[in-house]
Amino acid sequence: QKEVEQNSGPLSVPEGAIASLNCTYSDRGSQSFFWYRQYSGKSPELIMFIYSNGDKEDGRFTAQLNKASQYVSLLIRDSQPSDSATYLCAVASGGSYIPTFGRGTSLIVHP
Amino acid sequence: DVKVTQSSRYLVKRTGEKVFLECVQDMDHENMFWYRQDPGLGLRLIYFSYDVKMKEKGDIPEGYSVSREKKERFSLILESASTNQTSMYLCASRRDRGVNEKLFFGSGTQLSVL
Repeated sequence: QKEVEQNSGPLSVPEGAIASLNCTYSDRGSQSFFWYRQYSGKSPELIMFIYSNGDKEDGRFTAQLNKASQYVSLLIRDSQPSDSATYLCAVASGGSYIPTFGRGTSLIVHP
Repeated sequence: DVKVTQSSRYLVKRTGEKVFLECVQDMDHENMFWYRQDPGLGLRLIYFSYDVKMKEKGDIPEGYSVSREKKERFSLILESASTNQTSMYLCASRRDRGVNEKLFFGSGTQLSVL
């Protein structure tokens, strides 16, 4: 069984701070790593995708991947109250690339 | 933009009823998925389909079946609804298999089985 682990939180950070969300996975053959954001009562939407070791930046978001440690993280710089949501980590392996989701981390950004 | 439409936002059914959840996507995507989402358990894959008339079991297929007679439509069927199937059901589609292919989700169906 492929497993994707996330701390459920909530992670509470003040506005303007850096929020750091972490995810570990069990399948060493994993090739694709996604971060989805889900607002309360809404469906998930993709915010970041990474497939090679290192960092990938998109605006205030940075995804970090370390395949040796089987670890992927999402950093949100200058956090805003509008970033308050649940962040889902998803990991996919080659062949089918069917994503397995973690349980999500709830982020609260307080003014 | 890709649109994935689920026919009902809220649904209330009785134990033992046969329940149909419908999902339609408008971008000619090859792959479609059904997930259920429960508090504390995250998204769990029920069934998926690579193409028309194809279906594959996910992690929790028991008590469910699916149908994909047309490329744009993927239906989830609860043969005999039970209370433990009360959940949020999310349909998703993606263009095809691939390392960078993302999922597009519908708005979800909150099903309550009484």
